[in-house]
Amino acid sequence: DAGVTQSPTHLIKTRGQQVTLRCSPISGHKSVSWYQQVLGQGPQFIFQYYEKEERGRGNFPDRFSARQFPNYSSELNVNALLLGDSALYLCASSPQRGYQPQHFGDGTRLSIL
Amino acid sequence: LAKTTQPISMDSYEGQEVNITCSHNNIATNDYITWYQQFPSQGPRFIIQGYKTKVTNEVASLFIPADRKSSTLSLPRVSLSDTAVYYCLVGDVSPGGGADGLTFGKGTHLIIQP
Repeated sequence: DAGVTQSPTHLIKTRGQQVTLRCSPISGHKSVSWYQQVLGQGPQFIFQYYEKEERGRGNFPDRFSARQFPNYSSELNVNALLLGDSALYLCASSPQRGYQPQHFGDGTRLSIL
Repeated sequence: LAKTTQPISMDSYEGQEVNITCSHNNIATNDYITWYQQFPSQGPRFIIQGYKTKVTNEVASLFIPADRKSSTLSLPRVSLSDTAVYYCLVGDVSPGGGADGLTFGKGTHLIIQP
């Protein structure tokens, strides 16, 4: 079975631009979570979606938004990019909300110039 | 979620057993202990999960004392490929019972030398 897949793997943007990151969960998993990981830190929780509804949100500004589609895939959008948004963005899926373990993709490396 | 404390870094050598201890003094009754492993430029990978006493799988063992205020991840006969960051997480893992987002600390950077 395929694991969690994320696209693109790498992305370079400039300040002020907007970016969309995509995630496909493991087949049968209905919960998708997004995390931001800056160098030297552990992943920080951004959003959780379950059954196409936002179920949890971390301490991130409104420039960050996400959605989940009927097939349970998800997109993370970040507007008005700042240099500090440079990070590895990770997507994780699980069968249900609040359930562990979560299964992570290998992330999208976003670099802001 | 219970706060966890683990060493920032550890060194060991190939073939040795490595034990990484995590402190979680405020663990709640419904909380489990879960360990993840992360290699550079990859997402965290689930290693092992337990509630009490000892859990063993094909890659690691998890020892949890009776008071559950700490836990120890044991990696037998490590190799160079075990060099990674290891995260200890504590929380309710039941469907719908856990937190909506996982809380990761900085983890333990384990370096295995030849």
